[in-house]
Amino acid sequence: SQTIHQWPATLVQPVGSPLSLECTVEGTSNPNLYWYRQAAGRGLQLLFYSVGIGQISSEVPQNLSASRPQDRQFILSSKKLLLSDSGFYLCAWLRGQYGYTFGSGTRLTVV
Amino acid sequence: AQSVTQPDIHITVSEGASLELRCNYSYGATPYLFWYVQSPGQGLQLLLKYFSGDTLVQGIKGFEAEFKRSQSSFNLRKPSVHWSDAAEYFCAVGYEVLTFGTGTRLTIIP
Repeated sequence: SQTIHQWPATLVQPVGSPLSLECTVEGTSNPNLYWYRQAAGRGLQLLFYSVGIGQISSEVPQNLSASRPQDRQFILSSKKLLLSDSGFYLCAWLRGQYGYTFGSGTRLTVV
Repeated sequence: AQSVTQPDIHITVSEGASLELRCNYSYGATPYLFWYVQSPGQGLQLLLKYFSGDTLVQGIKGFEAEFKRSQSSFNLRKPSVHWSDAAEYFCAVGYEVLTFGTGTRLTIIP
């Protein structure tokens, strides 16, 4: 079956620490993958998307980066977290005309 | 640039009452249109989608939405809400990349 996994579910990190969030998809090949951030009252902001291995498009310049080391793996990273990086991060997979399927999200709190 | 407007930040309705959530968009052509629902702390679940054809689309959980090209709108409706419908609702438009509205929080009162 086709599924998307995202972890960890919650994360509390100190300012200046690194970050790595992972998203993997099962049951498909060469998926379009996306990272969104959701801040309270601000909807979903597209951070990065990828149409294939090593292909990353950045929508918003900021303190984050993304990588796609394998076909079904999409990683969101930061070298040094800022307080403003706190939020709810969602990975999504484009299933053609079915739109996005979302992961269950990661709640990141930077302290 | 494309944009999605959900003018109602928060709506409160009584259980059993009808519901309409508004969505207006700005896009170069008629995009694919979606409504998603999000429960607290969870990911987003697809309610329904419009690509072409019949402008009234049916979704899960008894929801429907009507696409009105002349108004660039895609409003979500439900004839009778249930307490379990309390959640946040997002309208989204696009093709390969979706643009989301800021969401409408729905509260249901007994």
